[in-house]
Amino acid sequence: QSVLTQAPSASGTPGQRVTISCFGSSSNIGENTVEWYQQVPGAAPRLLIYSNNQRPSRVPDRFSGSRSGTSASLAISGLQSGDEADYYCATWDDSLNAVIFGGGTKLTVL
Amino acid sequence: QVLLQESGPGLVKPSQTLSLFCSVSGGSISSGSDFWNWIRQPAGKGLEWIGRIYSRGSTTYSPSLKSRVIFSLDTSKNQFSLRLNYVTAADTAMYYCAKGQWPTHYFDYWGQGILVTVSS
Repeated sequence: QSVLTQAPSASGTPGQRVTISCFGSSSNIGENTVEWYQQVPGAAPRLLIYSNNQRPSRVPDRFSGSRSGTSASLAISGLQSGDEADYYCATWDDSLNAVIFGGGTKLTVL
Repeated sequence: QVLLQESGPGLVKPSQTLSLFCSVSGGSISSGSDFWNWIRQPAGKGLEWIGRIYSRGSTTYSPSLKSRVIFSLDTSKNQFSLRLNYVTAADTAMYYCAKGQWPTHYFDYWGQGILVTVSS
């Protein structure tokens, strides 16, 4: 069971905006920045969002991240079929002294 | 552009030691601000951070694995390695190496992964 909690699935139609949430605690999200990784089937994860809301230059601005208190969110606007993937949140946990991941959310584009 | 490539045996017997290597190109593993990570993912499941080794050799391991794992650097080959002792079927997973940068904790470059099966 993951220290960070994510809904196992989410879905949306092309063009729609979807939000994926990640819930943690004061020892992790409450004190540290949050990252998001995208993993398409059969591929390695790739960094999508870092430092709560920063995008690597190759990531389109349809993807955005935010953090508030002990939770974080990833928003995807203008949903595309190519966005079908698993999305993982991650952060540092001060109590465990370790990087921790959420259980992942599988996004389906209907 | 940093590229990482995992290598090692795809099959390990229970109770034996798993050894994996990650070759790095496009950057030096002895770069002062970088750290090098291992992350694994059982089939159909989520990601698990195993630990990291800094460019100067210090390590941080996941509490759940620290009793069985050792990381090391080989600067002559520009690669780093993982040794996991006393493996069981629960260690069967895709293993990824990934690069991070101090003082952050995120992974900006990943290898393609290597599937390791623990079975007799």
